[in-house]
Amino acid sequence: DGGITQSPKYLFRKEGQNVTLSCEQNLNHDAMYWYRQDPGQGLRLIYYSQIVNDFQKGDIAEGYSVSREKKESFPLTVTSAQKNPTAFYLCASSTPGQGLRETQYFGPGTRLLVL
Amino acid sequence: ELKVEQNPLFLSMQEGKNYTIYCNYSTTSDRLYWYRQDPGKSLESLFVLLSNGAVKQEGRLMASLDTKARLSTLHITAAVHDLSATYFCAVDMGAEYGNKLVFGAGTILRVKS
Repeated sequence: DGGITQSPKYLFRKEGQNVTLSCEQNLNHDAMYWYRQDPGQGLRLIYYSQIVNDFQKGDIAEGYSVSREKKESFPLTVTSAQKNPTAFYLCASSTPGQGLRETQYFGPGTRLLVL
Repeated sequence: ELKVEQNPLFLSMQEGKNYTIYCNYSTTSDRLYWYRQDPGKSLESLFVLLSNGAVKQEGRLMASLDTKARLSTLHITAAVHDLSATYFCAVDMGAEYGNKLVFGAGTILRVKS
C-alpha cells in the first residue's frame, strides 16, 4: 500500500533535548512538507523540500531543522531552541504539476509533548 | 503575504439542514484544496479545485472556486451526523513557492441529531 508513515505517534521531550520526528513516503513524490498544528488552529508550514538534498524554510522554521538525503524520507528535528514545541506535527507529500494528483497527502501525525 | 480566512469558525447545525462554509484568500491563486480532519486525526483530502468556476461534488458536499472573487465555498446538503469534523481550506502558493499551502483556521462542524 502506498502512503505516508510518521513515527512515533507520541513523543515526549525533556527540557533542552533535541528530538527527531520521522516521515517516510512510498508514493514516489518529489515534494515533502512539515506542518505544525496547535490546538484549535490551522496548519503552519515549518519546512519543505521539492527535491532531494534541497529544502526551504517555511513560515515558522526557527527552532527546527530538516534533511532530505533520500526521496522517501524527510525527518524533522525539534531542537532545544524551539521553546514551545508542544503541538501536532504533520508531514505531507505531493508531486507538483500532476493536476488532480497534485493534492498534498498527509501522514497520520506525531503528537509532541514537553515533560 | 497570503491570508486565508474561513467563516464561520464554528457551525452547529441540525441534521437535514443545508449550510455553506466560506473561504476567502488575499492573493492570486488558481488552486485550492478542502480537507477534513476528525478529532486527533490527520487530514483527509476532500477536493482539489484547479480553475476558475470549478465545481466538485462528493456525496452531501459540494465545493466551488471563484478565482476572480478569491472565494471558495463548501456547501453541505442535508447534513448528517457523520459529517461532524473540522474542515480546512488551503490555498496553493504556486510553483514559485514550492506549491506550499496556506491554511485557513478551520471550521468546526457539529451536526446534531
